[in-house]
Amino acid sequence: AAGVIQSPRHLIKEKRETATLKCYPIPRHDTVYWYQQGPGQDPQFLISFYEKMQSDKGSIPDRFSAQQFSDYHSELNMSSLELGDSALYFCASSLESNTEAFFGQGTRLTVV
Amino acid sequence: AQKITQTQPGMFVQEKEAVTLDCTYDTSDPSYGLFWYKQPSSGEMIFLIYQGSYDQQNATEGRYSLNFQKARKSANLVISASQLGDSAMYFCAMRPPRYRDDKIIFGKGTRLHILP
Repeated sequence: AAGVIQSPRHLIKEKRETATLKCYPIPRHDTVYWYQQGPGQDPQFLISFYEKMQSDKGSIPDRFSAQQFSDYHSELNMSSLELGDSALYFCASSLESNTEAFFGQGTRLTVV
Repeated sequence: AQKITQTQPGMFVQEKEAVTLDCTYDTSDPSYGLFWYKQPSSGEMIFLIYQGSYDQQNATEGRYSLNFQKARKSANLVISASQLGDSAMYFCAMRPPRYRDDKIIFGKGTRLHILP
């Protein structure tokens, strides 16, 4: 069965650079979530999309933006990267409310 | 406010024993979803089991079962016949109804160690 695909799996960037993370949800899933997980932390919600429109927003820095495209894939754009942005970034998808939600394998971002 | 509480930061269990990981939640909504995820040291977030608030029966998936006690707002994960590969961090999570918040709220997690 198809799963949530994230790319790249690993990314190393320098401070003040820009990064783009991509997420391809499970086909026919209508909701995408983005999370940030620091070392030893629980995942922190960043933003979600339902049917290609932003549906909720969490503690996402103004330097970050995200969108969902017509083919339902989503991208998280991160600018002016800081050392503290180093984390594991997850994307998850689900179909309608109150059903299972599946996570991708994550993108490990390291800012040096 | 919606909240997930996992009171066991770490647990050590002998292989082949059953394990219960505790989870309580707080919500005033009648409709919500409850999840358990496993995160091994490699980092991926693996979906284990889902329980809807209106589901009459406790969810089961292989060796995993969710002990759902709605009145107590409890959603404990039971792993039967534990295996060495079960050693990982386990997160309990909740999704409120979309009209309130469109996100999944995580607890702080329980790190499970299975001893040979």
